[in-house]
Amino acid sequence: ETGVTQSPTHLIKTRGQQVTLRCSSQSGHNTVSWYQQALGQGPQFIFQYYREEENGRGNFPPRFSGLQFPNYSSELNVNALELDDSALYLCASSAGGERGYGYTFGSGTRLTVV
Amino acid sequence: KQEVTQIPAALSVPEGENLVLNCSFTDSAIYNLQWFRQDPGKGLTSLLLIQSSQREQTSGRLNASLDKSSGRSTLYIAASQPGDSATYLCAVRSVRAGGTSYGKLTFGQGTILTVHP
Repeated sequence: ETGVTQSPTHLIKTRGQQVTLRCSSQSGHNTVSWYQQALGQGPQFIFQYYREEENGRGNFPPRFSGLQFPNYSSELNVNALELDDSALYLCASSAGGERGYGYTFGSGTRLTVV
Repeated sequence: KQEVTQIPAALSVPEGENLVLNCSFTDSAIYNLQWFRQDPGKGLTSLLLIQSSQREQTSGRLNASLDKSSGRSTLYIAASQPGDSATYLCAVRSVRAGGTSYGKLTFGQGTILTVHP
């Protein structure tokens, strides 16, 4: 059973650019969530996709957008990058959109905006 | 709005000690609570998942308890080892208005644990 894989592992971008981060969910999981973790902080929820539809969103501006594909992999897109977007971006998958399933996290993508 | 607090923020203990990490949350309407471990610069590793109907879960030297009515959870680590050094995070999955699952996990800021030989 493969876990959650994220790519790339590290990325350096210039302020104002756009970036796409990718995530392959664990086998059998149909729900994907994205989190932003600033240094020394707990992860903050960005949004979640269940069966290709966004079904929850945190307090992030519209320049943070995403997609989920039929194979349940996912992308996080960030436009007009700002210095404060520098963080560890974590993807998590779960077996169901509802209730009691736990989440499996990937190793993250470290984004640095300069 | 759900808020999660973890105490202490940092803990340093000698090898072999038993220790307790604390997590509190403000809204008791949760589906479950999950404890994670995070090594520096790495992703999250799930340690224990406790459903709202459960009181505790155990895995090896780890035991997590949940008191939903008082909004508290504890993670007990027995016979600590230097390899246990990491940041420990708790996260709750709340019930959305209307009774459906939101899916969103709300995290505490973590407890940084150092176990020295």
